[in-house]
Amino acid sequence: GEDVEQSLFLSVREGDSSVINCTYTDSSSTYLYWYKQEPGAGLQLLTYIFSNMDMKQDQRLTVLLNKKDKHLSLRIADTQTGDSAIYFCAELLIYNQGGKLIFGQGTELSVKP
Amino acid sequence: DAEITQSPRHKITETGRQVTLACHQTWNHNNMFWYRQDLGHGLRLIHYSYGVQDTNKGEVSDGYSVSRSNTEDLPLTLESAASSQTSVYFCASSDSSGSYEQYFGPGTRLTVT
Repeated sequence: GEDVEQSLFLSVREGDSSVINCTYTDSSSTYLYWYKQEPGAGLQLLTYIFSNMDMKQDQRLTVLLNKKDKHLSLRIADTQTGDSAIYFCAELLIYNQGGKLIFGQGTELSVKP
Repeated sequence: DAEITQSPRHKITETGRQVTLACHQTWNHNNMFWYRQDLGHGLRLIHYSYGVQDTNKGEVSDGYSVSRSNTEDLPLTLESAASSQTSVYFCASSDSSGSYEQYFGPGTRLTVT
């Protein structure tokens, strides 16, 4: 079945690296995504990775994809207090007419000064 | 700039009343989605549409309906509001090709008393 799993909480100190992990079940997923949700706001797309890639880097963000283990991670370098938020991973499922995203439950990142 | 908007941002209604939440996007996206977000459940898909006159049920569609009469709008109707429908509702849209990333509205907080 379709399922995306994440740990619920992560706490780090300001300046450290944060690593948020995610596992997914559908090996045919072509794209995987990371979204950020700040309090009282909608989800903001952070980055996404195509399934034929192992890694994607964008400034402080590094996404690693292990297709064999169906494991996705998001590393935030030099974590700041402004990075405190809920982070969702999602996988794309394509149907005949279009695509829909399956979201994990979200990981709440707390950054302590 | 293209955007996706939701109205109202906050709504309080009574049990049994019909409520309609509006979603409007100027991305010219074919795909539109409605989610609800509750503590402990992450994002759950209510209904989605892949184009004008197309609607599909998501995982928690009971008690909700949508209609798609044009590309820009996908209103969500609660036929007879129940306290279990107290939640934050998010609308999203995506293109129907490429990377399918979804863009989210700011959300509507609905309270059913």
